[in-house]
Amino acid sequence: AAGVIQSPRHLIKEKRETATLKCYPIPRHDTVYWYQQGPGQDPQFLISFYEKMQSDKGSIPDRFSAQQFSDYHSELNMSSLELGDSALYFCASSLGTVYNEQFFGPGTRLTVL
Amino acid sequence: AQSVTQPDIHITVSEGASLELRCNYSYGATPYLFWYVQSPGQGLQLLLKYFSGDTLVQGIKGFEAEFKRSQSSFNLRKPSVHWSDAAEYFCAVAGRGSSNTGKLIFGQGTTLQVKP
Repeated sequence: AAGVIQSPRHLIKEKRETATLKCYPIPRHDTVYWYQQGPGQDPQFLISFYEKMQSDKGSIPDRFSAQQFSDYHSELNMSSLELGDSALYFCASSLGTVYNEQFFGPGTRLTVL
Repeated sequence: AQSVTQPDIHITVSEGASLELRCNYSYGATPYLFWYVQSPGQGLQLLLKYFSGDTLVQGIKGFEAEFKRSQSSFNLRKPSVHWSDAAEYFCAVAGRGSSNTGKLIFGQGTTLQVKP
């Protein structure tokens, strides 16, 4: 069965650089969630989209932005990277507005040097 | 404030022994409840979930969890642990109702170590 795809899997950036993380949800899933998991931490909700519209927003820095495109894939754009942005970034997808199970991708490990 | 507490940061059990991981939540109303497992460097895999109905839910890999409303708890259990169960376990909640968007609030996680 198709799963959530995230690219790249690993990314190394310097401070103050920008990064773009991509998420391709399971086919026919219309909802995407982004989470950030710092070292030894629990995943923290960043932002979500339903049908290409932002549906919820969590503890996402103003330096980050995200969107969902017409094919339902999503991109998380991160600018002015800081050392503290080093983390595992997960994307999850689900189907519909009534809560359904979120399927998680393998994550993108971002390292900021 | 909505929160999830996993009191045990680290648990070590012998292979074949029983396991119980604790989870308590604080929420305005009974939320949806989940347990996820994460192997090192991997994504999160859903073990089981509680939406409504029978308070004892069965999941994958032989896990089960019991929802106790009076205690605001959703503890995860397994009768006999296998070495492959060593991983990080996260309890999570999501709100109900049309105003809720499905975002998950996670506990701090419990690291399970299995001794041979």
